[in-house]
Amino acid sequence: DAKTTQPNSMESNEEEPVHLPCNHSTISGTDYIHWYRQLPSQGPEYVIHGLTSNVNNRMASLAIAEDRKSSTLILHRATLRDAAVYYCTPGGGADGLTFGKGTHLIIQP
Amino acid sequence: DAGVIQSPRHEVTEMGQEVTLRCKPISGHNSLFWYRQTMMRGLELLIYFNNNVPIDDSGMPEDRFSAKMPNASFSTLKIQPSEPRDSAVYFCASSLVGGYNEQFFGPGTRLTVL
Repeated sequence: DAKTTQPNSMESNEEEPVHLPCNHSTISGTDYIHWYRQLPSQGPEYVIHGLTSNVNNRMASLAIAEDRKSSTLILHRATLRDAAVYYCTPGGGADGLTFGKGTHLIIQP
Repeated sequence: DAGVIQSPRHEVTEMGQEVTLRCKPISGHNSLFWYRQTMMRGLELLIYFNNNVPIDDSGMPEDRFSAKMPNASFSTLKIQPSEPRDSAVYFCASSLVGGYNEQFFGPGTRLTVL
């Protein structure tokens, strides 16, 4: 499994953009880059995924480095409801997920 | 859709007792995953099924743990006998097989073994 490195925690102000980095230098050529988040006392929820190209959806954007060894999850306007632990996890599209420690995102009002 | 349903939501038991956790995946989904979350070890994949067949059980900690999926709408994770170190939140997730498909997680079962 590809090893990931994420900051333990990050802090941002409400309504400002947030950039959450992830290093996955050992990712294989066919692995997707998945991002999930876990709100307090809930199960993880899917945020976004990508393979090689940058991706956008209603929740976030995903910027993938050209060499695929790192990626950045972008929340364009953070709200208090975005406070969660964010996990970056490379892997197959249909396999079980391997979670690291994630980044604890704190949003200040 | 009701989402992934897990029961019970909370379970407190004594060491040595048998524990059975239950999961109902989202209707139409044919992949099912069991995860465990603790403060020490984080979120770990225990086992997953495709079309009711176990595909990878390498994450199952030991023989005390077993999982079954008798049909497409039901799965169980059993611990016998339970030990205090099994205390954790157990999550079930489901998805569609084929291509890329996001996993939908249930609310989890918080297990406490005294």
